[in-house]
Amino acid sequence: GENVEQHPSTLSVQEGDSAVIKCTYSDSASNYFPWYKQELGKRPQLIIDIRSNVGEKKDQRIAVTLNKTAKHFSLHITETQPEDSAVYFCAASTGSGPGGGNKLTFGTGTQLKVEL
Amino acid sequence: NAGVTQTPKFQVLKTGQSMTLQCAQDMNHNSMYWYRQDPGMGLRLIYYSASEGTTDKGEVPNGYNVSRLNKREFSLRLESAAPSQTSVYFCASSLEGRSNTEAFFGQGTRLTVV
Repeated sequence: GENVEQHPSTLSVQEGDSAVIKCTYSDSASNYFPWYKQELGKRPQLIIDIRSNVGEKKDQRIAVTLNKTAKHFSLHITETQPEDSAVYFCAASTGSGPGGGNKLTFGTGTQLKVEL
Repeated sequence: NAGVTQTPKFQVLKTGQSMTLQCAQDMNHNSMYWYRQDPGMGLRLIYYSASEGTTDKGEVPNGYNVSRLNKREFSLRLESAAPSQTSVYFCASSLEGRSNTEAFFGQGTRLTVV
């Protein structure tokens, strides 16, 4: 099955700096790569996702890049703010298909702390 | 529009007791999932249901059973709870077959088995 590795496990940055979180996946059939943000005691919430037919996607201060050949994808947060402090999870999926659902395999998470 | 709703939010069980975690979604999604979240291990898939009437094992199904009661509801049952099942459980749903395959999560159930 799919295996997703995520690094680093903790990341501390100064407010205004950029943060980068990296993930690798093992299944070349994976074609959907979401990123979830989870605040303490809350549910995971999607912040951005990318599909395998796209190399990069940006949404305001957040961007995701995908390298299918190397099987890795990264989350980039620019101009970090204290409210960006949370745990971030990457995930991979072979996507939806008849009777297949959209089973996500998650990385182990990155605790991001944005310091004032 | 409540999204994905789980009950209960907290539960303490004694070893060997049984319980059912309930999950309901009102987004007309066809796929539903149960994940468990443990420190340092991310979220791991227990069972999923791609559509009403079907269920399949995920990565960590041992000790659990599920029922897809109808399109809205997907329950997770622990027949004989063990301390290793102490975890936070999340139900999720998604719309299969569309370009947007975002999974929406419930608020979680924090289960402690003593």
